[in-house]
Amino acid sequence: DAGITQSPRHKVTETGTPVTLRCHQTENHRYMYWYRQDPGHGLRLIHYSYGVKDTDKGEVSDGYSVSRSKTEDFLLTLESATSSQTSVYFCAIRQETYEQYFGPGTRLTVT
Amino acid sequence: GESVGLHLPTLSVQEGDNSIINCAYSNSASDYFIWYKQESGKGPQFIIDIRSNMDKRQGQRVTVLLNKTVKHLSLQIAATQPGDSAVYFCAENNYGQNFVFGPGTRLSVLP
Repeated sequence: DAGITQSPRHKVTETGTPVTLRCHQTENHRYMYWYRQDPGHGLRLIHYSYGVKDTDKGEVSDGYSVSRSKTEDFLLTLESATSSQTSVYFCAIRQETYEQYFGPGTRLTVT
Repeated sequence: GESVGLHLPTLSVQEGDNSIINCAYSNSASDYFIWYKQESGKGPQFIIDIRSNMDKRQGQRVTVLLNKTVKHLSLQIAATQPGDSAVYFCAENNYGQNFVFGPGTRLSVLP
């Protein structure tokens, strides 16, 4: 599992509230990713990081921000959650040889 | 657990038979490919990978075939078992750029 944990694993929140999801890795990988997975869409990239304080947008970044102040932690923040952000969120790391491994996921419901 | 994809193509096979799952990838310049298995309520699990300088790669009970001419990838599972029931999807990568994921196929193993 490449030592990836996500927290929380489940969260229910109300529209308009801020939410932060955490991804933690134990193996010092440089590349980290946040994806969302929705029925009919497969995995879609939200944001990614290629080092401490180095992040960039993916294809569905609107409404999300990220931060990476330490190698091991990559945070995803929904500044003001909307119902369209109800989804399952996966964190992933990528090794230098390109292999990508995923965390267990966070199920977020915005009511 | 939550369904990964409500309208995914489904492959049904008898327990003990071989399974072949196909994936058409989009970028002729892609040089690295991964097959993932995703069980309901869990994160994608890395199964096997292949680089574009190879046509075939074998793992334990799984074989990946790559046909670059027609941009086609397949995953063969030998002696399919009930524990193989899951959604399988491919991912392609172009020289370290971000991964692009296929929509997936649901494998159902019949007793």
